[in-house]
Amino acid sequence: GAVVSQHPSWVICKSGTSVKIECRSLDFQATTMFWYRQFPKQSLMLMATSNEGSKATYEQGVEKDKFLINHASLTLSTLTVTSAHPEDSSFYICSALGGISNQPQHFGDGTRLSIL
Amino acid sequence: GEDVEQSLFLSVREGDSSVINCTYTDSSSTYLYWYKQEPGAGLQLLTYIFSNMDMKQDQRLTVLLNKKDKHLSLRIADTQTGDSAIYFCAENEEGRRALTFGSGTRLQVQP
Repeated sequence: GAVVSQHPSWVICKSGTSVKIECRSLDFQATTMFWYRQFPKQSLMLMATSNEGSKATYEQGVEKDKFLINHASLTLSTLTVTSAHPEDSSFYICSALGGISNQPQHFGDGTRLSIL
Repeated sequence: GEDVEQSLFLSVREGDSSVINCTYTDSSSTYLYWYKQEPGAGLQLLTYIFSNMDMKQDQRLTVLLNKKDKHLSLRIADTQTGDSAIYFCAENEEGRRALTFGSGTRLQVQP
């Protein structure tokens, strides 16, 4: 069964709306969660790394004020797309890691975000 | 920065073997992964290999790693129509646990 749950799976909203996406590890404590973005027919690009209890580390070119990440507990990280615009439409995928080095990442099923 | 490359498309007939290739540039990669993505879905971990291994087999899947040439391959034996998907190879840079993904190979299995 799924070890990482991502919610919602699909959201459509109007331009200017803020959208929150949740990523939960179901049966392990995730010390680190990653947020990726995937454009159609393209690969995954890392947006930010989220460590429980500390500020997220954003990749170059990713606006931290636009994509707010909160990792308040060992099982939950949230990504909020603030004042979303059509160019923010994409597939957002989270992954989670436990405390053991170099274990494979477990991915959520992704959230398809469509901004009208 | 580090780079991972894959061919974009592979078409095989049902029952044949599929071989998906991947090359990477980071010599400090510790783990290399193969993920499968079906349309509209997230990523499913298929298998992974530690960098000091040459081969790993898991049922119909065989992973070969040539560390000298920085070449990774995934062989799927007896390919089925349900194997049609996009396959991503990915690697962990040493000291950095985020994954760097290849562009993905779309596998099309024809009946």
